[in-house]
Amino acid sequence: GAVVSQHPSRVICKSGTSVKIECRSLDFQATTMFWYRQFPKQSLMLMATSNEGSKATYEQGVEKDKFLINHASLTLSTLTVTSAHPEDSSFYICSARTYPGYTFGSGTRLTVV
Amino acid sequence: DQQVKQNSPSLSVQEGRISILNCDYTNSMFDYFLWYKKYPAEGPTFLISISSIKDKNEDGRFTVFLNKSAKHLSLHIVPSQPGDSAVYFCAASTNVNTDKLIFGTGTRLQVFP
Repeated sequence: GAVVSQHPSRVICKSGTSVKIECRSLDFQATTMFWYRQFPKQSLMLMATSNEGSKATYEQGVEKDKFLINHASLTLSTLTVTSAHPEDSSFYICSARTYPGYTFGSGTRLTVV
Repeated sequence: DQQVKQNSPSLSVQEGRISILNCDYTNSMFDYFLWYKKYPAEGPTFLISISSIKDKNEDGRFTVFLNKSAKHLSLHIVPSQPGDSAVYFCAASTNVNTDKLIFGTGTRLQVFP
């Protein structure tokens, strides 16, 4: 079946630095990729929708200058957390539209210290 | 505004019995519904889906029921197995082909021997 490869699986960074998370669709082309974050014991909250070759669409309340999304090719979407702060520590997950169910990456645990 | 809700945060079921997980939604525009299984620090795994033109879909031990008038869906797992222990999320979208998923709050299922 379809596979979305997400890296890194976990990262620890210092406050004020930037972190890039990559998601690749391995055996299919993903014109659209969705980015979610999940806080402990909470639901997955959609942050933004990235579209290949165009600007991402951000959900209300998500800072587009802080969470930079790039979808430069049909198989790669990246999320960069800029000037990270401890409150950005969370679990970030990407997904691509496949049928019948969306395919998710394995997630990235970000810890900002 | 939580458009998709799972009112039971946890459920405990004996092995071999039926597990019933419930989900309610408020947006009448939702036309495609999915159930996912999730372990900590991993991405969700797709289980089963249902289109709004149907009221039931079955796949092996998993059956999803949709009651559009009540804006309610449920996932039945029978017989339940210890390996089914995980957090289950329902999700909904307004376009089966392209639109974003809105997730419920999750139900932690524990199947004991």
